[in-house]
Amino acid sequence: ETGVTQSPTHLIKTRGQQVTLRCSSQSGHNTVSWYQQALGQGPQFIFQYYREEENGRGNFPPRFSGLQFPNYSSELNVNALELDDSALYLCASSLGTVSGYTFGSGTRLTVV
Amino acid sequence: GESVGLHLPTLSVQEGDNSIINCAYSNSASDYFIWYKQESGKGPQFIIDIRSNMDKRQGQRVTVLLNKTVKHLSLQIAATQPGDSAVYFCAESRNAGNNRKLIWGLGTSLAVNP
Repeated sequence: ETGVTQSPTHLIKTRGQQVTLRCSSQSGHNTVSWYQQALGQGPQFIFQYYREEENGRGNFPPRFSGLQFPNYSSELNVNALELDDSALYLCASSLGTVSGYTFGSGTRLTVV
Repeated sequence: GESVGLHLPTLSVQEGDNSIINCAYSNSASDYFIWYKQESGKGPQFIIDIRSNMDKRQGQRVTVLLNKTVKHLSLQIAATQPGDSAVYFCAESRNAGNNRKLIWGLGTSLAVNP
């Protein structure tokens, strides 16, 4: 059984650019949730995808968007990057929308 | 506002001692609580959870206590080991429509001294 894998592990982007982060969910899981974790803080919920549709969203602007594919993998897209977007982006998969989450190791995004 | 917070940002213990990490939450509608461990450079790892209809739950070397009256939960780690050094988060979960949203505290950094 494979766990949750995220790519890339590290990324440096320039302010104003766009970025796509990827997540492969754990085998058997159909739900993916994305979190942003600033240094020294707890993760903040961005949004959740279930059956290829957004299923709940946190307090993040529309320039944060996502996709879920038929194989349940997911992408997080961020447009018009700002310096404050620098953070660890975590993906968590689960079976259904209410069960426990398995987290990936995250993508460390640095915006300069 | 909604919050799940931790009383102590750092905790230092001697190897072999018991550790207690505390967490306060503010929303009485929360019905599920989870403790996660996060090591440097890794994603959060599930430790133990507890539902609001329980006061105590035990795992291997860990115990979670929930006091709904004062909206407080704690994580007890028995015989703390160097491998327990990490940041510990409590997360509060409640139904948000048709999904479950996790609200996280700030984290407590546990340092185990040999």
